[in-house]
Amino acid sequence: GAGVSQSPRYKVTKRGQDVALRCDPISGHVSLYWYRQALGQGPEFLTYFNYEAQQDKSGLPNDRFSAERPEGSISTLTIQRTEQRDSAMYRCASSFFQNEKLFFGSGTQLSVL
Amino acid sequence: QKEVEQNSGPLSVPEGAIASLNCTYSDRGSQSFFWYRQYSGKSPELIMSIYSNGDKEDGRFTAQLNKASQYVSLLIRDSQPSDSATYLCAVNRAGGSYIPTFGRGTSLIVHP
Repeated sequence: GAGVSQSPRYKVTKRGQDVALRCDPISGHVSLYWYRQALGQGPEFLTYFNYEAQQDKSGLPNDRFSAERPEGSISTLTIQRTEQRDSAMYRCASSFFQNEKLFFGSGTQLSVL
Repeated sequence: QKEVEQNSGPLSVPEGAIASLNCTYSDRGSQSFFWYRQYSGKSPELIMSIYSNGDKEDGRFTAQLNKASQYVSLLIRDSQPSDSATYLCAVNRAGGSYIPTFGRGTSLIVHP
């Protein structure tokens, strides 16, 4: 696609529900990153993939968070049993390969009530 | 100590002045450095990348890197009101895991 696409743009859910956030990177981009950004802060790393392989998941806060990229293109970030503290902007970014500039999607604003 | 440190600002400069934005990082082995601009309510977008010591110029923007001092800066010449945004410094961790780590960003306000 022309840019990184994320869906949904907004997600409101109740505490305890599971949510799945989707990211469609720029076509041909090998690396895909997930970040979380709180208001007034910089993006906080969660996890990243090269092709379908998860290279690093050290930023995932706990085992309720998981991510996959099964075919090396679209990625899904899943949060199980959501909590209010999970409320944030979740941003996906892709790059041609690792160590290169990132192209960000518009983000998914998650609100957990 | 945070991995990437930036003064949150706001930094206020008059139109036409030079804006100087600074960033320090803790991982001495870091190799790649980036400046992103983020307008309010929008996503970050790349302005500059720099990989070696010295200056790199692109239009009104100059990135400066000093690895010995673990310091990277961004200069914006002839600042315009449209430059008002948050500027994020990103540093790729060393050691083979190329994870861009972001600072909290510096808010720049250019007033007419």
